[in-house]
Amino acid sequence: GNSVTQMEGPVTLSEEAFLTINCTYTATGYPSLFWYVQYPGEGLQLLLKATKADDKGSNKGFEATYRKETTSFHLEKGSVQVSDSAVYFCALTSANQAGTALIFGKGTTLSVSS
Amino acid sequence: KAGVTQTPRYLIKTRGQQVTLSCSPISGHRSVSWYQQTPGQGLQFLFEYFSETQRNKGNFPGRFSGRQFSNSRSEMNVSTLELGDSALYLCASSLYGTSGSFSDTQYFGPGTRLTVL
Repeated sequence: GNSVTQMEGPVTLSEEAFLTINCTYTATGYPSLFWYVQYPGEGLQLLLKATKADDKGSNKGFEATYRKETTSFHLEKGSVQVSDSAVYFCALTSANQAGTALIFGKGTTLSVSS
Repeated sequence: KAGVTQTPRYLIKTRGQQVTLSCSPISGHRSVSWYQQTPGQGLQFLFEYFSETQRNKGNFPGRFSGRQFSNSRSEMNVSTLELGDSALYLCASSLYGTSGSFSDTQYFGPGTRLTVL
């Protein structure tokens, strides 16, 4: 079945460090890919998305490129801030998933210290 | 434009009771989806409603049910509560939802944290 695998956390970085959170997926058909972020005590916010191969989603300095050949959608940011501390979820939907919706990875906790 | 709202934000119930959670989608959105978030299982899809009809359903027992009203507001109900139902329940709305080849961006509410004692 369709699934999303994220790197295990927590990820601990110093302010201004480079961030990479790995995400790989298994899906039939042509999924759309998403990164959501969840701040403490809040719901999920859409961070960025990509709907076809080689698309790059970007928002607030975060980027992710849809790589069909490696079935990956890794999240990157060049210089993290303390305010980026949150849980990050990779997710997908797929045209072949009749009757299903977003499938999420387990989430990766990011902690940024000053 | 106001975001997705969920009420109540926190709820404490005891085993065997039932509970109803409410979700008001973003104005104009016709699809409402519900998710359960737990530390062990992560985020799991419960069901999706579109124009008052359940369109998709996840792998949850029949104790979990929902409905959608003509104004797109949605409620979910859990009957005969179990300890394992303790979770954050998230509602998400979108214009058209997810069906077949179409995938629409979902916007999430803050969630209702349910604790079952």
